[in-house]
Amino acid sequence: AQTVTQSQPEMSVQEAETVTLSCTYDTSESDYYLFWYKQPPSRQMILVIRQEAYKQQNATENRFSVNFQKAAKSFSLKISDSQLGDAAMYFCAYRTFGNEKLTFGTGTRLTIIP
Amino acid sequence: NAGVTQTPKFQVLKTGQSMTLQCAQDMNHNSMYWYRQDPGMGLRLIYYSASEGTTDKGEVPNGYNVSRLNKREFSLRLESAAPSQTSVYFCASMQVWSSGANVLTFGAGSRLTVL
Repeated sequence: AQTVTQSQPEMSVQEAETVTLSCTYDTSESDYYLFWYKQPPSRQMILVIRQEAYKQQNATENRFSVNFQKAAKSFSLKISDSQLGDAAMYFCAYRTFGNEKLTFGTGTRLTIIP
Repeated sequence: NAGVTQTPKFQVLKTGQSMTLQCAQDMNHNSMYWYRQDPGMGLRLIYYSASEGTTDKGEVPNGYNVSRLNKREFSLRLESAAPSQTSVYFCASMQVWSSGANVLTFGAGSRLTVL
């Protein structure tokens, strides 16, 4: 079974600084997708960024970017120029190509220090 | 667009009571899901439905039943609630194509407390 590990239960960063959240996963598949979701205090789950495993180029969405290391099975999220609105729980998730099920990590709570 | 709508948002039950969480999506997605979220555990899949009329167990199905009433609706039922089922429940939907990083769209969540 695939597993997703987020080893940092909590992280904090000064406003305007850069922070990196870690995620590793275990799989024997070669085709899969990786996601980062954000859950602010409102509880709504919001997609931050996604990556197809077959793409070598790291995905980027404005201030959010990933460092995808396929051989190391690592998928970290970098948030640049952190803003107060970035404070949330962040979940890493994995899905195999052709599989409907998404597996989540346990989450990292990010605090932004003004 | 409403997206994924789940009701109720909050519910308090006594041990042994039954209840049904309702979920509906208006995006014409094929697949629908029920997750539960507990502190330190992330989101765990309870049941999912790949299409109307089909359902499959996820990681933590015990104590739950589901019904895919039609393409839009997917309900989760607790027949005899237990304190261990105190959690936040999320319904989600997704259109699974043969390729592409299809994305789950989530409802706003339902907080259930079992006393």
